[in-house]
Amino acid sequence: QQKVQQSPESLIVPEGGMASLNCTFSDRNSQYFWWYRQHSGEGPKALMSIFSNGDKKEGRFTAHLNKASLYVSLHIKDSQPSDSALYFCAVTNSAGNKLTFGIGTRVLVRP
Amino acid sequence: EAAVTQSPRNKVAVTGGKVTLSCNQTNNHNNMYWYRQDTGHGLRLIHYSYGAGSTEKGDIPDGYKASRPSQENFSLILELATPSQTSVYFCASGDDWEVRQNTLYFGAGTRLSVL
Repeated sequence: QQKVQQSPESLIVPEGGMASLNCTFSDRNSQYFWWYRQHSGEGPKALMSIFSNGDKKEGRFTAHLNKASLYVSLHIKDSQPSDSALYFCAVTNSAGNKLTFGIGTRVLVRP
Repeated sequence: EAAVTQSPRNKVAVTGGKVTLSCNQTNNHNNMYWYRQDTGHGLRLIHYSYGAGSTEKGDIPDGYKASRPSQENFSLILELATPSQTSVYFCASGDDWEVRQNTLYFGAGTRLSVL
């Protein structure tokens, strides 16, 4: 069964700073990778996806994927207080029909 | 944006009682999912469905049943609720069976306490 592990568990970042979130997965046949964000009291919302090795940038967010190393990361540039949330890494199974989530990284951006 | 509505938002149940959590989506998505969220475990998949009349077991189906009577509605049923099922439950929907293209849209969650 797919295992998805995230680090760190929590992160405090100064406003304007860079937040770096890490995720490892166990199934070498995984192909599709997502980052979801959950603000307090709400359901998770898809932030961005990445399917190919390398970097993908969307605004202040950059995802990095290295399938050979079973590793995916998310970097948040110029962090804002509104970025304070729980961030989940999610990985599909080899059949591509189920998402497995990590336990999340809680990010707090201090003004 | 896709709309997924869960009811009730909060529920207190007694051990051994029956609990039904409801989910409605208005975007004609084929796929619907039930997850539970617990500290230290993240989001874990309980049941999912590819369309009306279908239900599939997820990673932690024991103690739960699911029902998909229509495209719009997907219910999670706890026939004999136990305190270990105290959790926050999220329903989600998506528009393609291949998760690559299937951004999940989550509801706001149902907080269930089983006493």
